[in-house]
Amino acid sequence: SQTIHQWPATLVQPVGSPLSLECTVEGTSNPNLYWYRQAAGRGLQLLFYSVGIGQISSEVPQNLSASRPQDRQFILSSKKLLLSDSGFYLCAWSPRGGYTFGSGTRLTVV
Amino acid sequence: ILNVEQSPQSLHVQEGDSTNFTCSFPSSNFYALHWYRWETAKSPEALFVMTLNGDEKKKGRISATLNTKEGYSYLYIKGSQPEDSATYLCAFSNSSNTGKLIFGQGTTLQVKP
Repeated sequence: SQTIHQWPATLVQPVGSPLSLECTVEGTSNPNLYWYRQAAGRGLQLLFYSVGIGQISSEVPQNLSASRPQDRQFILSSKKLLLSDSGFYLCAWSPRGGYTFGSGTRLTVV
Repeated sequence: ILNVEQSPQSLHVQEGDSTNFTCSFPSSNFYALHWYRWETAKSPEALFVMTLNGDEKKKGRISATLNTKEGYSYLYIKGSQPEDSATYLCAFSNSSNTGKLIFGQGTTLQVKP
C-alpha cells in the first residue's frame, strides 16, 4: 500500500538555527511531491514541488530550500530560520484523483 | 496570480442544520477542483475531485457541485453533526502534469450539539 511519512511532528527552534524536515513515500515510484505551509491565520501555501529526482520548483521567494536526493524522499531545509518561518508544514504526493498528505510538522521559531 | 476564494471564512451552526459554503476559482485553463476536510492535528482528507462542468458528487451527507464556466463550486452538508466540525478546503488545479493545487483559505465549520 502507498503511505507517506513526515517527521518530526513538532519542532521548536531558535531564530538563526538550521532546519531539516523529511518526507518519504512508500509503495509508489516517481511520485510528484509537494511542500505546503500554513502560516497563522492563512491558507495552505505551496512552497515547492518536484516531479523527479533533483527537480525542484519554487513557488514563492523565501528563506527555505528543498531537495529530492532520492525518488521517494523530499527534504525541506533552511540554513537560518526566521520568526516568519513558523507554521504548519505539510508534505504531499499526488496519486490520481488528488493529494495524500503527510501528518504535518508544527514548527515554532522562537 | 491564481487565486482561490472561499466563503464564509467560518460558520457556526446547530446540530441538524444544513449548510453550504462556496469556492470560487479561475475559470480559464481549468483542470480539476478538489475538496478536503481538515481536522485539527490531522492530515487533510480528500472528499471529492471534480473535473467536468456540472459534476455533482455525494458522500453520505456531504455533496458538492461544480460550475467551471463561471468558476465556482458549492459544498453542502445536510443535517450537520458535531463530528462534521472541521475546516473545509477547496483547491484548484490547471495542470495535469505538475499536479499543483492552489488552495483557498478554507471554511471552518463548528457544529454545536
